[in-house]
Amino acid sequence: AQTIHQWPVAEIKAVGSPLSLGCTIKGKSSPNLYWYWQATGGTLQQLFYSITVGQVESVVQLNLSASRPKDDQFILSTEKLLLSHSGFYLCAWSQGNTGQLYFGEGSKLTVL
Amino acid sequence: GDSVTQTEGPVTLSEGTSLTVNCSYETKQYPTLFWYVQYPGEGPQLLFKVPKANEKGSNRGFEATYNKEATSFHLQKASVQESDSAVYYCALRARFGAGTKLSVKP
Repeated sequence: AQTIHQWPVAEIKAVGSPLSLGCTIKGKSSPNLYWYWQATGGTLQQLFYSITVGQVESVVQLNLSASRPKDDQFILSTEKLLLSHSGFYLCAWSQGNTGQLYFGEGSKLTVL
Repeated sequence: GDSVTQTEGPVTLSEGTSLTVNCSYETKQYPTLFWYVQYPGEGPQLLFKVPKANEKGSNRGFEATYNKEATSFHLQKASVQESDSAVYYCALRARFGAGTKLSVKP
């Protein structure tokens, strides 16, 4: 069975500090991978997607970047956090472009 | 590019009443349509996939029919329960609508 794991579960960071959020998918070869951001009480905003290792497409950057260093790993990062980065970050995978999305548990980020 | 327009919430209903959440889309590709549900503190999970045009997708009493001419796939449930309280999203592939927060009062 496929599993998706996000880390960390929660972070409290200072404005201007760096951030790295991770996502690992097990049991699935060559999945499409996605990062979403959700403000508290807000909608799901797609940030990035990747269809293969080393290739990431930006949908909305929000002063963030993403990388896919391995087939089963997706990283979201920034060198300088803004207050507006606070929210819930969700990683997801799908089989191809038309399969359903499977989401991780999410990472809650609070920027102070 | 793809776009999805969804009835924005919140929606508050009493148990036993009916629900309709409107969703329409635009795409130049063949539409692959989904409804997802999200509970507090969790990631969205699939409610059901909407199959071919004019066919009904359904799960847990929720259903939606993809209307090709109207480019819509509205979510419906005849009788909501308190346990249905959640946020519902329609999606066109990986593009999500705004979400509709449903609160059901006993």
